[in-house]
Amino acid sequence: GENVEQHPSTLSVQEGDSAVIKCTYSDSASNYFPWYKQELGKRPQLIIDIRSNVGEKKDQRIAVTLNKTAKHFSLHITETQPEDSAVYFCAATRRGSQGNLIFGKGTKLSVKP
Amino acid sequence: DSGVTQTPKHLITATGQRVTLRCSPRSGDLSVYWYQQSLDQGLQFLIQYYNGEERAKGNILERFSAQQFPDLHSELNLSSLELGDSALYFCASSVSGTSPYNEQFFGPGTRLTVL
Repeated sequence: GENVEQHPSTLSVQEGDSAVIKCTYSDSASNYFPWYKQELGKRPQLIIDIRSNVGEKKDQRIAVTLNKTAKHFSLHITETQPEDSAVYFCAATRRGSQGNLIFGKGTKLSVKP
Repeated sequence: DSGVTQTPKHLITATGQRVTLRCSPRSGDLSVYWYQQSLDQGLQFLIQYYNGEERAKGNILERFSAQQFPDLHSELNLSSLELGDSALYFCASSVSGTSPYNEQFFGPGTRLTVL
Protein backbone atom coordinates (compact mmCIF):
# COMPACT_ATOMS: atom_id res chain seq x y z
CA GLY A 1 0.00 0.00 0.00
CA GLU A 2 0.87 3.65 -0.07
CA ASN A 3 3.44 5.03 2.33
CA VAL A 4 4.11 8.75 2.80
CA GLU A 5 7.29 10.03 4.42
CA GLN A 6 7.44 13.64 5.62
CA HIS A 7 10.43 15.77 6.60
CA PRO A 8 11.37 17.53 8.74
CA SER A 9 9.36 16.61 11.81
CA THR A 10 9.97 20.03 13.33
CA LEU A 11 10.88 23.31 11.68
CA SER A 12 11.59 26.64 13.29
CA VAL A 13 11.90 29.83 11.24
CA GLN A 14 11.99 33.56 11.84
CA GLU A 15 8.99 35.60 10.86
CA GLY A 16 9.33 36.64 7.24
CA ASP A 17 11.51 33.69 6.25
CA SER A 18 10.41 30.88 3.98
CA ALA A 19 9.56 27.36 5.11
CA VAL A 20 9.74 24.19 3.05
CA ILE A 21 8.28 20.82 3.98
CA LYS A 22 8.98 17.76 1.86
CA CYS A 23 7.11 14.51 1.35
CA THR A 24 7.78 11.37 -0.62
CA TYR A 25 5.27 8.72 -1.58
CA SER A 26 5.67 5.12 -2.62
CA ASP A 27 2.67 4.34 -4.84
CA SER A 28 3.23 5.56 -8.38
CA ALA A 29 -0.55 5.37 -8.92
CA SER A 30 -1.16 8.15 -6.40
CA ASN A 31 -2.64 11.14 -8.19
CA TYR A 32 -3.85 13.59 -5.56
CA PHE A 33 -1.77 15.29 -2.90
CA PRO A 34 -3.45 17.56 -0.36
CA TRP A 35 -1.83 19.47 2.47
CA TYR A 36 -3.60 19.97 5.77
CA LYS A 37 -2.85 22.45 8.54
CA GLN A 38 -3.71 21.57 12.11
CA GLU A 39 -3.52 24.25 14.76
CA LEU A 40 -3.12 23.19 18.35
CA GLY A 41 -6.25 21.49 19.62
CA LYS A 42 -8.10 21.96 16.35
CA ARG A 43 -9.15 19.93 13.37
CA PRO A 44 -7.02 19.46 10.25
CA GLN A 45 -7.98 21.87 7.48
CA LEU A 46 -7.09 21.68 3.83
CA ILE A 47 -4.81 24.53 2.77
CA ILE A 48 -3.78 23.51 -0.72
CA ASP A 49 -3.78 20.47 -2.96
CA ILE A 50 -2.29 19.34 -6.24
CA ARG A 51 -3.22 16.75 -8.80
CA SER A 52 -0.73 14.57 -10.58
CA ASN A 53 -1.21 16.30 -13.92
CA VAL A 54 0.07 19.58 -12.46
CA GLY A 55 3.63 20.40 -11.49
CA GLU A 56 3.04 23.44 -9.31
CA LYS A 57 0.19 25.31 -7.70
CA LYS A 58 0.19 28.59 -5.80
CA ASP A 59 -2.25 30.29 -3.48
CA GLN A 60 -0.95 33.59 -2.16
CA ARG A 61 1.97 32.76 0.17
CA ILE A 62 1.58 29.01 -0.20
CA ALA A 63 2.77 26.84 -3.05
CA VAL A 64 3.04 23.14 -3.68
CA THR A 65 5.32 21.44 -6.17
CA LEU A 66 5.13 17.88 -7.42
CA ASN A 67 7.83 15.74 -9.02
CA LYS A 68 6.14 12.58 -10.23
CA THR A 69 9.35 11.00 -11.46
CA ALA A 70 10.97 11.27 -8.06
CA LYS A 71 7.66 10.70 -6.27
CA HIS A 72 7.98 13.68 -4.03
CA PHE A 73 6.05 16.85 -3.37
CA SER A 74 6.78 19.90 -1.28
CA LEU A 75 4.97 22.70 0.51
CA HIS A 76 6.49 26.15 0.35
CA ILE A 77 5.38 28.97 2.62
CA THR A 78 6.86 32.39 1.94
CA GLU A 79 6.91 35.44 4.21
CA THR A 80 5.96 33.32 7.19
CA GLN A 81 3.86 34.83 9.95
CA PRO A 82 3.31 33.72 13.57
CA GLU A 83 -0.17 32.49 12.64
CA ASP A 84 1.44 29.99 10.28
CA SER A 85 2.66 28.12 13.37
CA ALA A 86 0.90 24.75 13.31
CA VAL A 87 1.40 21.12 12.36
CA TYR A 88 1.31 20.51 8.63
CA PHE A 89 0.41 17.14 7.15
CA CYS A 90 0.95 16.00 3.61
CA ALA A 91 -1.20 13.21 2.22
CA ALA A 92 -1.61 11.11 -0.88
CA THR A 93 -4.38 9.13 -2.46
CA ARG A 94 -5.13 7.57 -5.79
CA ARG A 95 -7.99 6.81 -8.09
CA GLY A 96 -9.64 3.62 -6.98
CA SER A 97 -8.74 4.13 -3.35
CA GLN A 98 -12.12 5.76 -2.69
CA GLY A 99 -10.37 8.91 -1.65
CA ASN A 100 -9.03 7.72 1.68
CA LEU A 101 -5.94 9.69 2.54
CA ILE A 102 -2.58 8.32 3.60
CA PHE A 103 -0.90 10.97 5.72
CA GLY A 104 2.68 11.77 6.50
CA LYS A 105 3.54 12.05 10.19
CA GLY A 106 3.42 15.80 10.22
CA THR A 107 5.77 18.77 10.54
CA LYS A 108 5.50 21.10 13.49
CA LEU A 109 6.26 24.58 12.17
CA SER A 110 7.14 27.31 14.63
CA VAL A 111 7.40 30.88 13.36
CA LYS A 112 9.24 33.13 15.78
CA PRO A 113 8.29 36.81 15.79
CA ASP B 1 -16.67 25.31 11.63
CA SER B 2 -16.49 22.59 8.97
CA GLY B 3 -20.11 21.47 9.36
CA VAL B 4 -19.02 18.05 10.58
CA THR B 5 -20.02 17.28 14.15
CA GLN B 6 -18.65 14.67 16.50
CA THR B 7 -19.78 13.57 19.92
CA PRO B 8 -18.66 13.25 22.58
CA LYS B 9 -15.78 15.70 22.67
CA HIS B 10 -13.99 13.80 25.42
CA LEU B 11 -14.33 10.24 26.62
CA ILE B 12 -12.55 8.65 29.56
CA THR B 13 -12.98 4.96 30.14
CA ALA B 14 -11.22 1.90 31.49
CA THR B 15 -9.40 -0.93 29.77
CA GLY B 16 -11.68 -3.67 28.55
CA GLN B 17 -14.63 -1.36 28.07
CA ARG B 18 -16.57 -0.53 24.90
CA VAL B 19 -17.37 2.94 23.58
CA THR B 20 -19.21 4.45 20.64
CA LEU B 21 -18.14 7.60 18.85
CA ARG B 22 -20.64 9.45 16.72
CA CYS B 23 -20.21 11.59 13.63
CA SER B 24 -22.63 13.64 11.55
CA PRO B 25 -21.31 14.64 8.13
CA ARG B 26 -21.83 17.96 6.40
CA SER B 27 -25.21 18.38 4.80
CA GLY B 28 -25.09 16.76 1.37
CA ASP B 29 -21.94 14.73 1.99
CA LEU B 30 -22.39 11.02 1.42
CA SER B 31 -18.98 9.77 2.45
CA VAL B 32 -17.61 9.47 5.98
CA TYR B 33 -14.02 8.63 6.86
CA TRP B 34 -12.64 7.77 10.28
CA TYR B 35 -9.06 8.58 11.29
CA GLN B 36 -7.08 7.92 14.43
CA GLN B 37 -4.51 10.47 15.53
CA SER B 38 -1.92 9.47 18.06
CA LEU B 39 1.32 11.24 18.96
CA ASP B 40 3.62 8.63 17.46
CA GLN B 41 1.56 7.53 14.46
CA GLY B 42 0.11 10.73 13.14
CA LEU B 43 -3.19 10.53 11.28
CA GLN B 44 -4.12 6.97 10.34
CA PHE B 45 -7.01 6.09 8.08
CA LEU B 46 -9.33 3.55 9.68
CA ILE B 47 -12.40 3.06 7.54
CA GLN B 48 -14.68 4.74 5.00
CA TYR B 49 -18.41 4.54 4.40
CA TYR B 50 -20.28 5.85 1.42
CA ASN B 51 -24.06 6.17 1.45
CA GLY B 52 -24.42 3.45 4.04
CA GLU B 53 -21.94 0.99 2.62
CA GLU B 54 -18.38 0.23 3.66
CA ARG B 55 -16.04 1.36 0.89
CA ALA B 56 -12.50 1.04 2.18
CA LYS B 57 -10.60 -0.24 5.16
CA GLY B 58 -7.30 0.96 6.45
CA ASN B 59 -5.44 0.10 9.62
CA ILE B 60 -8.52 -0.73 11.62
CA LEU B 61 -8.26 -3.29 14.38
CA GLU B 62 -10.70 -6.19 14.55
CA ARG B 63 -11.87 -4.82 17.91
CA PHE B 64 -13.10 -1.72 16.09
CA SER B 65 -16.13 -1.52 13.85
CA ALA B 66 -18.18 1.18 12.23
CA GLN B 67 -21.43 1.73 10.43
CA GLN B 68 -23.26 4.47 8.57
CA PHE B 69 -26.96 4.86 9.08
CA PRO B 70 -29.70 5.84 6.59
CA ASP B 71 -29.53 9.45 7.80
CA LEU B 72 -25.80 9.28 6.93
CA HIS B 73 -24.46 9.73 10.43
CA SER B 74 -21.78 7.26 11.36
CA GLU B 75 -20.68 5.51 14.52
CA LEU B 76 -17.31 4.04 15.36
CA ASN B 77 -17.42 1.27 17.95
CA LEU B 78 -14.29 0.47 19.91
CA SER B 79 -14.34 -2.61 22.14
CA SER B 80 -12.01 -4.42 24.54
CA LEU B 81 -10.20 -1.12 24.91
CA GLU B 82 -6.48 -1.05 25.60
CA LEU B 83 -4.26 1.73 26.86
CA GLY B 84 -2.83 2.09 23.37
CA ASP B 85 -6.24 3.00 21.98
CA SER B 86 -6.01 6.36 23.68
CA ALA B 87 -5.99 8.87 20.84
CA LEU B 88 -7.89 11.58 19.06
CA TYR B 89 -10.46 10.13 16.67
CA PHE B 90 -11.51 12.28 13.75
CA CYS B 91 -14.27 11.80 11.31
CA ALA B 92 -14.25 13.56 7.97
CA SER B 93 -16.83 13.83 5.25
CA SER B 94 -16.81 14.52 1.55
CA VAL B 95 -19.38 14.79 -1.18
CA SER B 96 -18.24 11.72 -3.08
CA GLY B 97 -16.80 8.41 -2.06
CA THR B 98 -15.37 7.58 -5.42
CA SER B 99 -13.34 10.58 -6.41
CA PRO B 100 -9.99 11.24 -4.76
CA TYR B 101 -10.27 14.95 -5.51
CA ASN B 102 -13.08 15.88 -3.18
CA GLU B 103 -11.96 17.81 -0.14
CA GLN B 104 -12.43 16.02 3.13
CA PHE B 105 -13.84 18.19 5.90
CA PHE B 106 -12.81 17.14 9.37
CA GLY B 107 -14.88 17.23 12.51
CA PRO B 108 -13.52 18.54 15.84
CA GLY B 109 -12.55 15.05 16.98
CA THR B 110 -13.24 12.89 20.02
CA ARG B 111 -10.42 12.54 22.51
CA LEU B 112 -10.46 9.04 23.98
CA THR B 113 -8.51 8.32 27.12
CA VAL B 114 -8.27 4.71 28.29
CA LEU B 115 -7.13 4.32 31.89
